[in-house]
Amino acid sequence: TQLLEQSPQFLSIQEGENLTVYCNSSSVFSSLQWYRQEPGEGPVLLVTVVTGGEVKKLKRLTFQFGDARKDSSLHITAAQPGDTGLYLCAGVRGADGLTFGKGTHLIIQP
Amino acid sequence: DVKVTQSSRYLVKRTGEKVFLECVQDMDHENMFWYRQDPGLGLRLIYFSYDVKMKEKGDIPEGYSVSREKKERFSLILESASTNQTSMYLCASSLFRGLRETQYFGPGTRLLVL
Repeated sequence: TQLLEQSPQFLSIQEGENLTVYCNSSSVFSSLQWYRQEPGEGPVLLVTVVTGGEVKKLKRLTFQFGDARKDSSLHITAAQPGDTGLYLCAGVRGADGLTFGKGTHLIIQP
Repeated sequence: DVKVTQSSRYLVKRTGEKVFLECVQDMDHENMFWYRQDPGLGLRLIYFSYDVKMKEKGDIPEGYSVSREKKERFSLILESASTNQTSMYLCASSLFRGLRETQYFGPGTRLLVL
C-alpha cells in the first residue's frame, strides 16, 4: 500500500504569516493532488502536479512536486482567515483512484 | 458545475440495522467512489465503480457492499451496522481515471451507530 505522510498535523498561525505544509511518501506517484476541505463539506481540488520539480501557483498558494515525484509541499504567503481548513494531499495510483494523506488542519487567526 | 448529492447529512442508526447511503451525481461521470473519513486516519477508500453494475473493493471493504444500477447513482450498504462504522461517509465521482483524475465530492453523511 502506498502511504502519504502529511506534516504538520495541526498548525495555528496569525493572519499575515507564511507557512509550509508537507506531503511525503516512499513511493513514486504519477501525479499528486492537493484538496481543501471546509467543515461540513467534502474536499475540493486545488491543484494537480504531474512533472517532477513542477511548481504551480494559485494566488497566494504555491505547490511544488519533488524531483523524484515522491513528495510535495504547499506554501501559503500572507495567510488569511479564509485559508482555514483541512488540507489533504492525494497521490494518483494509476487507474485505481487516489491515496489520501491524513491531512493538515490549518487555522489562521485574525 | 458538477453536483454530487448525498441522501442525508446526518443519520443515527442502531446496531444491527441495515443502512443505505445514497449518492447521485449529475455530470454523467463513469467513476464513483465511497470513502470514510475518521479523525487521525484520513480518507479511506471503501469501494469504487467504473461502470454501471460493476464494483471494485477499495482498502477497507469489510462490512460494506455497494450497488450501481444506474450510472448516476452509487449506493453504499451496511448490511448490519456496528458501532465501529460510526464515521463521516463521503461519495465522489470523476470523469477521468489516472493522471488527470479530479474527484468531485459530496458534502458527506455523518453516521452515528448506537
